[in-house]
Amino acid sequence: KQEVTQIPAALSVPEGENLVLNCSFTDSAIYNLQWFRQDPGKGLTSLLLIQSSQREQTSGRLNASLDKSSGRSTLYIAASQPGDSATYLCAPSRGNNRLAFGKGNQVVVIP
Amino acid sequence: NAGVTQTPKFQVLKTGQSMTLQCAQDMNHEYMSWYRQDPGMGLRLIHYSVGAGITDQGEVPNGYNVSRSTTEDFPLRLLSAAPSQTSVYFCASSYSSGGITDTQYFGPGTRLTVL
Repeated sequence: KQEVTQIPAALSVPEGENLVLNCSFTDSAIYNLQWFRQDPGKGLTSLLLIQSSQREQTSGRLNASLDKSSGRSTLYIAASQPGDSATYLCAPSRGNNRLAFGKGNQVVVIP
Repeated sequence: NAGVTQTPKFQVLKTGQSMTLQCAQDMNHEYMSWYRQDPGMGLRLIHYSVGAGITDQGEVPNGYNVSRSTTEDFPLRLLSAAPSQTSVYFCASSYSSGGITDTQYFGPGTRLTVL
């Protein structure tokens, strides 16, 4: 069974600082890995998808890296803003796009 | 496109009642799935489907049934609700081609309370 751990569980940073969110998973036989954002009481919004053959993906201020062999992914958010406050979820995918989720990184960006 | 839609948004049931959570997508995605989210736990996969007429169990399937008669719809049935099924339920869909799966899109969720 795939186990996903996200560290830190919660963090608060002042506006403008860079965010580094870590994700580790126990089974390296994954097809891809997605990072999602979840706002309180809302659904999940996909941020980045990294295929297993890729090392990183970038979208605007977001950059995600993937080291499949060591079972790690990192999400970097540059120059954080109060609007980045949310819970970030890491989800590696097995066959048939079955996602395994961690408990998330709860982020608060202080103005 | 409406994306992934779920109804109802909120539901309260009594123990033993049955109900169906509806999920629909208008993106012509082959893959659809149901997850539940409980406080202090990650989302867990209940059932999934790789196309019309094909469904399979996920991590926590007990107490739930699914069917997929069309590409667009993937309803989740609770046969006899129990308090342990109090949760937030999310439906998701994605495109797949040649074994490469694409981004999963999630619906807004259904918040279910079983008394």
